[in-house]
Amino acid sequence: GEDVEQSLFLSVREGDSSVINCTYTDSSSTYLYWYKQEPGAGLQLLTYIFSNMDMKQDQRLTVLLNKKDKHLSLRIADTQTGDSAIYFCAESMGTGGFKTIFGAGTRLFVKA
Amino acid sequence: DTGVSQDPRHKITKRGQNVTFRCDPISEHNRLYWYRQTLGQGPEFLTYFQNEAQLEKSRLLSDRFSAERPKGSFSTLEIQRTEQGDSAMYLCASSPNEAFFGQGTRLTVV
Repeated sequence: GEDVEQSLFLSVREGDSSVINCTYTDSSSTYLYWYKQEPGAGLQLLTYIFSNMDMKQDQRLTVLLNKKDKHLSLRIADTQTGDSAIYFCAESMGTGGFKTIFGAGTRLFVKA
Repeated sequence: DTGVSQDPRHKITKRGQNVTFRCDPISEHNRLYWYRQTLGQGPEFLTYFQNEAQLEKSRLLSDRFSAERPKGSFSTLEIQRTEQGDSAMYLCASSPNEAFFGQGTRLTVV
């Protein structure tokens, strides 16, 4: 069945780059997403990538997609303490959250 | 505030009681979704509306769960005869394309 796997924790120092990795199983996924969730808050869409793309950059965020290995990563440059949150990788066959499958989330700790 | 709004933010109920949650999507969004998130997990898809039509329901949505979106605007999610296993965060999202999530309703069944 469909599954999305992420490592549970990542700890980095302020100013370093963070790389959060994700693997997925559904080769028919069309869209791959990264969401951020802060304590007590809903999910905030950070960025997404179409399956026919290899890379997408948006300010401090870089998304890399290896479709052959079904591997997705999110790199946050110059990580700040405000980046501390849970980051969810997600996949879907359509836009707009339709039957989006989420990973369990990676908790990012940023040390000052 | 033009984001997705959910009410209530928190609900504590006794086992066996019925509860109803409300979601007000962003006004021009025709798609609306309900997800459930338990501690330490990512959200799990429950159901999806396009305007007033409920187009998809997950197997997670047992007979005790019912969702409506009568006029294609706000939606309600009702859980009948709540069980302790229903304790979770219930998230609503709306979209034209990318999903915008509300802050969720945290349900605790005691």
